[in-house]
Amino acid sequence: AQSVTQPDIHITVSEGASLELRCNYSYGATPYLFWYVQSPGQGLQLLLKYFSGDTLVQGIKGFEAEFKRSQSSFNLRKPSVHWSDAAEYFCAVGAGGTSYGKLTFGQGTILTVHP
Amino acid sequence: NAGVTQTPKFQVLKTGQSMTLQCAQDMNHNSMYWYRQDPGMGLRLIYYSASEGTTDKGEVPNGYNVSRLNKREFSLRLESAAPSQTSVYFCASREGQAGYEKLFFGSGTQLSVL
Repeated sequence: AQSVTQPDIHITVSEGASLELRCNYSYGATPYLFWYVQSPGQGLQLLLKYFSGDTLVQGIKGFEAEFKRSQSSFNLRKPSVHWSDAAEYFCAVGAGGTSYGKLTFGQGTILTVHP
Repeated sequence: NAGVTQTPKFQVLKTGQSMTLQCAQDMNHNSMYWYRQDPGMGLRLIYYSASEGTTDKGEVPNGYNVSRLNKREFSLRLESAAPSQTSVYFCASREGQAGYEKLFFGSGTQLSVL
């Protein structure tokens, strides 16, 4: 069975500092990997996804993530955090084709940004 | 350009009551999904509909039923609500061909069962 682990429940950073959110997955085949962001009271917005090709994926809002098959990881990074990045972040794994959309999500990481 | 619309936004039920959560998308997407979100557990798939006229169980289907009324609408029904069904419910729809898929989420329904 597929699974996703986000080891950090809550991370606090100062505005302008760099950010890395960790994600480890378990999946039997080549995975589709996603990072979503959720602001309070809102639905989920896709930041980026990986399914093949270059293992460093660029997303919206200046985020990037690196797929490391040997470590079963897909960590999210941002060089300089803005106060507006405060939100909850979810890593997810799934498959393509007709199974796309049947995602397994991690528990989420809440990001707090100090001014 | 509404995207995925969920109604209601908030609902309080008593144990044993029934209700239907509505979801509609105006993007002509074939596939639609219902997820529930609980603190510390991320989102879990309840049911999905790959296309009009088909529905399938996800990870946590017990206590729920769904109807794909037409291509636009995918409803989730709780026949006899239980406190364990207190959660935030998200509907989503999918666009795109293989390799270019994207999910669009609604803004959620917050349900409390007392």
